[in-house]
Amino acid sequence: AQSVTQLDSQVPVFEEAPVELRCNYSSSVSVYLFWYVQYPNQGLQLLLKYLSGSTLVKGINGFEAEFNKSQTSFHLRKPSVHISDTAEYFCAVNPYGGATNKLIFGTGTLLAVQP
Amino acid sequence: KAGVTQTPRYLIKTRGQQVTLSCSPISGHRSVSWYQQTPGQGLQFLFEYFSETQRNKGNFPGRFSGRQFSNSRSEMNVSTLELGDSALYLCASSMGQGSYNEQFFGPGTRLTVL
Repeated sequence: AQSVTQLDSQVPVFEEAPVELRCNYSSSVSVYLFWYVQYPNQGLQLLLKYLSGSTLVKGINGFEAEFNKSQTSFHLRKPSVHISDTAEYFCAVNPYGGATNKLIFGTGTLLAVQP
Repeated sequence: KAGVTQTPRYLIKTRGQQVTLSCSPISGHRSVSWYQQTPGQGLQFLFEYFSETQRNKGNFPGRFSGRQFSNSRSEMNVSTLELGDSALYLCASSMGQGSYNEQFFGPGTRLTVL
C-alpha cells in the first residue's frame, strides 16, 4: 500500500519570497509522483509530475520539484511566489506500472501568500 | 478542447434521499475516475471506469455506485444519503488506463446533505 504525507497543513509566506512545500511518501513499489494545485471553488490542476529520468522536474507557473528516492520525498519549490499562488497544493502518488489511474493524495498544504 | 464538465455544480439534498452526479470527460478520453473531497478525510478515491467497465473501487459503502456509458460519460449515484456524504465530488478523465496517464479534473459537484 502507498501513503503520502504532507507535514505542513499551512505555509504562510510573503510575496516574492521563496517557498518549499514538503511531500514524503511510503511505498513498497516504485511510484509515479504528482503535484496538483486547487484554487478556491475549482478542481485540481496538474502542476508537474515525475515519471522517470531527471530527478528535477519543472512544471507550470514557475514551480519545480525534486525527487529524492533515498528520502522518499518529492518537495515542491518556487523561487519567488506571487499573490496568485495562494491555493491548496496536493502531492499524489500512483504505483509504477499499475493498470489503474487511482491517485493517492496527501492531505494538502494551503499556501497563503501575503503582500 | 473543452475540459471535464460536471453537473450540477451545486446540490442540496436531505438525509435518506438519493442523488446522481454526472461527468463528461474530455473528448477522446476513455477513462473516468471519481474522488470525494472532505475537510476531514481529504481526497479519497471512489472508483474508476474504462470502456464502460469498473476497473477499480475505493473503500466506500455500497450506497456509492457508478457507471460509464459508451460515449465515456459517467454518472455516480449515492443512495440513502447521510450527513457525512456532504462533500465535493471530483471527476477526472484521462486518455487511457495506466499510472503514467495525466488526469484532468473537473470543477466538482458540491453536495450538501441536510
